[in-house]
Amino acid sequence: QLLESGGDLVQPGGSLRLSCAASGFAFTSYAVAWVRQAPGKGLAWVSVISSSGGSTFYADSVKGRFTISRDNSKNVMFLQMIGLRAEDTALYYCAKVGDYSGSPANAFDLWGQGTMVTVSS
Amino acid sequence: DLQMTQSPSTVSASVGDRVTITCRASQRISRRLAWYQQKPGKAPNLLIYDASTLESGVPSRFSGGGFGTEFTLTISRLQPDDFATYYCHHYNSYSHTFGPGTRLEIK
Repeated sequence: QLLESGGDLVQPGGSLRLSCAASGFAFTSYAVAWVRQAPGKGLAWVSVISSSGGSTFYADSVKGRFTISRDNSKNVMFLQMIGLRAEDTALYYCAKVGDYSGSPANAFDLWGQGTMVTVSS
Repeated sequence: DLQMTQSPSTVSASVGDRVTITCRASQRISRRLAWYQQKPGKAPNLLIYDASTLESGVPSRFSGGGFGTEFTLTISRLQPDDFATYYCHHYNSYSHTFGPGTRLEIK
């Protein structure tokens, strides 16, 4: 399973770090990603990291403000967010990429339940 | 930038009906497409990947098709549990893009 944490209410311009703890599968063999969903809206991909952590990719909307990373020794993935804006308000899901080779190029076959980030003054 | 569209945005149907949802990509994407079901307050659930491969545990009344720029998700005999929102998702080695979603509601 995947369990997200770290969501909170933060002021515009503030920072936050989200965590995603994985269990029940070989975490080190799979890429993992962040996907967000603003209240009442659709799904939006945020970022993905390869199994080794050597490759990271971002949506244009967060590039330069968000940083994805992982600690394979602890089966945890992170999303460091700085310069937060009102439009970053969303439920943030972590998701496992369903490709045993560790490539980020596949569907998301396991999702957490999400952690809520609210950016407001 | 690649864009994904879905039609219709909302569809009304009855239990037992056959429903088809279409997803279109603004560029050719081979078969790199997945479909998800999402119910209110829940995380999305993978149904189909690689355009037509059924995820393990997903009922066989769900099927996917298409190649290139146009893809379909068909539910052959709607069950009460199928009323939800459906999203298509394109994936490649450096980005992911979701469609805007199709809400399937009870007629």
